[in-house]
Amino acid sequence: AQTVTQSQPEMSVQEAETVTLSCTYDTSENNYYLFWYKQPPSRQMILVIRQEAYKQQNATENRFSVNFQKAAKSFSLKISDSQLGDTAMYFCAFMSPPGAGSYQLTFGKGTKLSVIP
Amino acid sequence: DVKVTQSSRYLVKRTGEKVFLECVQDMDHENMFWYRQDPGLGLRLIYFSYDVKMKEKGDIPEGYSVSREKKERFSLILESASTNQTSMYLCASSAADYANTGELFFGEGSRLTVL
Repeated sequence: AQTVTQSQPEMSVQEAETVTLSCTYDTSENNYYLFWYKQPPSRQMILVIRQEAYKQQNATENRFSVNFQKAAKSFSLKISDSQLGDTAMYFCAFMSPPGAGSYQLTFGKGTKLSVIP
Repeated sequence: DVKVTQSSRYLVKRTGEKVFLECVQDMDHENMFWYRQDPGLGLRLIYFSYDVKMKEKGDIPEGYSVSREKKERFSLILESASTNQTSMYLCASSAADYANTGELFFGEGSRLTVL
């Protein structure tokens, strides 16, 4: 079974600064998907960014980017120019591709990020 | 706009009561999910459904059941609530291509307290 580990339960960052959230995972598969989801206080969880393991290029979505290190099984999220609206719980998630058994998302335990004015 | 609506944001129930948590999505999604979220444990999948009247057990189905009589509605049932079921419950839905996208659309959550 796959496992996803987020080693930082809580983090804080000054507004306009850059912060990196860590995520490691364990799998024996060669192809899979990785995700970062964001859960703002009292609001719905939303997908922030998605990475396919067979793609070497790191995914980017505006101020959000990832550092995907396949050999190290590491998938960190970098938030640039942090904004107050980035305050949220962030979850790293793993999913096997179709045909590779269960294709349900496996979530990490989350990192609570606070952006300080 | 994408919408997943959970009928109750906050519920307080007594031990042994039967509890219904309702979820409705307006995106014509095939797949629907119920997760439980606890501090320090992340999200754990209780049940999911990939079609009307179809259901599959997730990682922690014990003590729960589900019902999906219509495509847009997925209900989570606690037959006899216990204090260890005090938690935040999240409903989510996804389109048919979920296995390739991994994108879930979540509701705002239902916080259940069992006394």
